[in-house]
Amino acid sequence: AQSVTQLDSHVSVSEGTPVLLRCNYSSSYSPSLFWYVQHPNKGLQLLLKYTSAATLVKGINGFEAEFKKSETSFHLTKPSAHMSDAAEYFCVVSPYSSASKIIFGSGTRLSIRP
Amino acid sequence: SQTIHQWPATLVQPVGSPLSLECTVEGTSNPNLYWYRQAAGRGLQLLFYSVGIGQISSEVPQNLSASRPQDRQFILSSKKLLLSDSGFYLCAWSLRLGAFFGQGTRLTVV
Repeated sequence: AQSVTQLDSHVSVSEGTPVLLRCNYSSSYSPSLFWYVQHPNKGLQLLLKYTSAATLVKGINGFEAEFKKSETSFHLTKPSAHMSDAAEYFCVVSPYSSASKIIFGSGTRLSIRP
Repeated sequence: SQTIHQWPATLVQPVGSPLSLECTVEGTSNPNLYWYRQAAGRGLQLLFYSVGIGQISSEVPQNLSASRPQDRQFILSSKKLLLSDSGFYLCAWSLRLGAFFGQGTRLTVV
C-alpha cells in the first residue's frame, strides 16, 4: 500500500527566506511523486514530479525537491520565498498500477510574511 | 497532449435541487478517474474513483453519486443537494507517470 504524509499543516516564513515543506511517503514499489500548488479559489497546478530519473527535481517558480529513498522523503524547497508563493501545497504519490489510486497528502498552507 | 475539461467553473444551487458536474479527458485512454471535494479550509477528500466504464468505487457515504458512461467521461450527480454539499469539486485522472486535474467547480448551495 502507498501513503503520503505532509508533516506540517502550516508553514510561515518571511519574504526572501528559504522555504521547506516536508513530505514523507510509504510505498512497496518505486513511487512517482509530485508536488502541486493550489492558490486560493483556484485549481491544482503541477510544480514538479519525480519519476525515477534524477533524484533532484527542479520545478516551476524556483521550487525544487529531492527524492531520498533512504529517508522516504520528498521535501519541497525554495531558496527565497516570494509573496506570490502563499498557497496550499500538496504532495502526491502516483499509482504504480492501473488498479491503484493517486494518494494525496493532507496539504501544507504556506504563508509569507512581508 | 492530454487535457481534462471540467465544467461549470462556478455554480450556485438551492437546497433540494439536483446536481450534475461533468468531466471529460482527452489524449489518453482508459485512465483512472477521480472526484474530490475540498471544503473551505480543508484538504482534498476523495469521493469517487473509477478504473473503467461503469466501475465506480465510493470512498465515503454521502448524498452524491458518480457515473462513467464512457471511457473518458466522469459525472458527479446528486438528486437533492444539501447545504453541506457546498465546496470545491475537482476531477482528476491518473496514469503511472502522473495525475492531472481539472480547474475545479466552486459549488455553493443556498
